[in-house]
Amino acid sequence: KAGVTQTPRYLIKTRGQQVTLSCSPISGHRSVSWYQQTPGQGLQFLFEYFSETQRNKGNFPGRFSGRQFSNSRSEMNVSTLELGDSALYLCASSRDGHTDTQYFGPGTRLTVL
Amino acid sequence: SQQGEEDPQALSIQEGENATMNCSYKTSINNLQWYRQNSGRGLVHLILIRSNEREKHSGRLRVTLDTSKKSSSLLITASRAADTASYFCANGGSQGNLIFGKGTKLSVKP
Repeated sequence: KAGVTQTPRYLIKTRGQQVTLSCSPISGHRSVSWYQQTPGQGLQFLFEYFSETQRNKGNFPGRFSGRQFSNSRSEMNVSTLELGDSALYLCASSRDGHTDTQYFGPGTRLTVL
Repeated sequence: SQQGEEDPQALSIQEGENATMNCSYKTSINNLQWYRQNSGRGLVHLILIRSNEREKHSGRLRVTLDTSKKSSSLLITASRAADTASYFCANGGSQGNLIFGKGTKLSVKP
């Protein structure tokens, strides 16, 4: 069974730009969660999508948004990038969400200059 | 902050020794999950222990859970250089997402 894939793996943007990251979950998984990892704040939850609906949301500004498609693939978008958005963005898929084992992708390393 | 804490923050041992990492959490759990992360890469799921379980084994890994103390520990026996990584515990509680601790950086010297 193929694992969770994330594209692109690396991204360099400048302040003020926007970016879209993509995540393809494991086949049959309906839940996709996104996390931001930085050296200072560690791993922080962004949001979770389940069957195309946002089910949970973390404490991030509205510049961070996401969506999920009918095939469970998910995208997250960050608008008006700030230097502090530089991070490793990880997505995780599972059958049912946080009560289930989460399988993580390799992450997208975003650098904002 | 709801974040849990791992302790120690860093651990350096020799190959063949056992490594013990501890995790404390703040809010109630449905389960407690342990993950490994090799430098800057994705997280690899190691083990999930449910709130009604006290101990779980998987290969060289042993996890214990004490809900009265809101703590868990991960034991890696007979460690190998390949075990060098950061280890995170995550609270799979009722809030709908995993709450991660800050991790323990384990270094296993050959």
